[in-house]
Amino acid sequence: GEDVEQSLFLSVREGDSSVINCTYTDSSSTYLYWYKQEPGAGLQLLTYIFSNMDMKQDQRLTVLLNKKDKHLSLRIADTQTGDSAIYFCAEILNYGGSQGNLIFGKGTKLSVKP
Amino acid sequence: DGGITQSPKYLFRKEGQNVTLSCEQNLNHDAMYWYRQDPGQGLRLIYYSQIVNDFQKGDIAEGYSVSREKKESFPLTVTSAQKNPTAFYLCASSISGQRTDTQYFGPGTRLTVL
Repeated sequence: GEDVEQSLFLSVREGDSSVINCTYTDSSSTYLYWYKQEPGAGLQLLTYIFSNMDMKQDQRLTVLLNKKDKHLSLRIADTQTGDSAIYFCAEILNYGGSQGNLIFGKGTKLSVKP
Repeated sequence: DGGITQSPKYLFRKEGQNVTLSCEQNLNHDAMYWYRQDPGQGLRLIYYSQIVNDFQKGDIAEGYSVSREKKESFPLTVTSAQKNPTAFYLCASSISGQRTDTQYFGPGTRLTVL
């Protein structure tokens, strides 16, 4: 079945870079997403990458995609305490009766220490 | 301001009662979605609707019902048949429900069944 895997926790010091990793299952996924969830809040779309790209950069965020290994990563440069949140990786399911549905990982809780 | 609103933010109900969660969007999106989030878990799809007066079951539809009488509104009813209804419920919408469309999320409703 489909599954998106992420490590559950990451702790970094303020000013360091954070790298959150994700592996996905559907090799035909066209879009892969990163969402951020602050405590008690909904999900905020951070960035996404199209499957024909290897990298996408948006200010402090860098997304790397390795299609061969089905590996996606999110790098946050100069991590700030305001970046503390849960980060979800998600892929679009491109097969079966649930085609077009987003499949989410369990989320990585990023803690930023001052 | 365009966006997705969910109300109420917190909801308490007694066991055995049905309860309806509200989701409204003014983004003129055709597609709307309901997800359930449990602690330490990713999001799981309950129901989705790609167009008015039509909706489809997601991965965990048992014990839930929806309606889509208006484009802007997609209420979710948690029935007494749902065995473990306490969770955080997130509503989302996208332009057309196509697999390339980005989903945008509301702030969520935390339901606690006593």
